[in-house]
Amino acid sequence: NAGVMQNPRHLVRRRGQEARLRCSPMKGHSHVYWYRQLPEEGLKFMVYLQKENIIDESGMPKERFSAEFPKEGPSILRIQQVVRGDSAAYFCASSPSPGTAGGYGYTFGSGTRLTVV
Amino acid sequence: AQSVSQHNHHVILSEAASLELGCNYSYGGTVNLFWYVQYPGQHLQLLLKYFSGDPLVKGIKGFEAEFIKSKFSFNLRKPSVQWSDTAEYFCAVNRNAGKSTFGDGTTLTVKP
Repeated sequence: NAGVMQNPRHLVRRRGQEARLRCSPMKGHSHVYWYRQLPEEGLKFMVYLQKENIIDESGMPKERFSAEFPKEGPSILRIQQVVRGDSAAYFCASSPSPGTAGGYGYTFGSGTRLTVV
Repeated sequence: AQSVSQHNHHVILSEAASLELGCNYSYGGTVNLFWYVQYPGQHLQLLLKYFSGDPLVKGIKGFEAEFIKSKFSFNLRKPSVQWSDTAEYFCAVNRNAGKSTFGDGTTLTVKP
């Protein structure tokens, strides 16, 4: 019973290149969340998606960053024209539908560590 | 916007010492509260959660947390820590569905 799968685990990109980070949620989970962890900092919310819908992107930088969660396949976090400041660990989490009982805890993936050189 | 404060950035304890990690949040409405743990080299795992009912919540590995609504706090406790508890601990808050807001984390080092 696979948990949240993220790939790649490590990604090195030169400045100006594109980075594509993938996240397959846990089986049965329909909600995906992306967080970024900068060195010596906590987890910062980026975006919350359901299948084919962006629910909350209030944490996404206005430029160069985009996310999708298509009907089929994993969720993708895409960073265009990467800069050194994008170097961080990017974590994906998933949860079942919250329903009326309130939120659920997240199941996290192992993260993708992006290094921009 | 809601925020979460974890008072201690780094805590160092000897084995068998008692642990209490502080967490305060800013939102005044109904919230769901969580503690997550990240062991070295591993992903974040849910330690315990509070939605409603008994404000004293028991989680895995002997951890517990107490929700004190009047203090907007959700402190994590363990009576006797072990070397294997060395990890980073994150407090998180969400409001019935949607995103969780995380604290900056507390690194716990337990000396054998």
